[in-house]
Amino acid sequence: NAGVTQTPKFQVLKTGQSMTLQCAQDMNHEYMSWYRQDPGMGLRLIHYSVGAGITDQGEVPNGYNVSRSTTEDFPLRLLSAAPSQTSVYFCASTTSSPDNSPLHFGNGTRLTVT
Amino acid sequence: AQTVTQSQPEMSVQEAETVTLSCTYDTSESDYYLFWYKQPPSRQMILVIRQEAYKQQNATENRFSVNFQKAAKSFSLKISDSQLGDAAMYFCAYRFDYGGSQGNLIFGKGTKLSVKP
Repeated sequence: NAGVTQTPKFQVLKTGQSMTLQCAQDMNHEYMSWYRQDPGMGLRLIHYSVGAGITDQGEVPNGYNVSRSTTEDFPLRLLSAAPSQTSVYFCASTTSSPDNSPLHFGNGTRLTVT
Repeated sequence: AQTVTQSQPEMSVQEAETVTLSCTYDTSESDYYLFWYKQPPSRQMILVIRQEAYKQQNATENRFSVNFQKAAKSFSLKISDSQLGDAAMYFCAYRFDYGGSQGNLIFGKGTKLSVKP
């Protein structure tokens, strides 16, 4: 049972480059989300999706795009990377039943933008 | 807006002793969920314990227990018989379900726990 799989684990980009962080889950969860973790800031929600074809913004969406074409996949796109996007990114998923279901997290991607 | 506050950036405990990590939150809702997550140096986010606001009984998972005070909006985590493997960053998180956003968590900034042998 793979759970939530994120790739890559590490990535270095130059300012202005674009890239996609991949996220896949095999638990048939309706809900998926992306968080970023910065030192001293905890985790902050970037974008989330409550099902295929449905996405919405979280607390810090600027500079990121998402799409949800399948239940399993929820990629996060950086169109023009900036140093402020240097962070650790987590993908997470959960289901609505039972109602106290916790978030299942991937192992994170450490992104450095120079 | 809901907020989660962890007032202890760092804590230290002696092995086999007990430690309590504090968490307070601000909300006007009556139904919600609270979680504690552990993040060891491996970066993995691990669920420690969860609490439903409508339950008066405090949640317990082995050596981990919570003191949930709904009126005071307080959700502290007690770790008994601390072990070296408990050393990690601990995050308190709040979840309010609205419009299907059942996975939208608001996290505190974390408490770094060190365990002394």
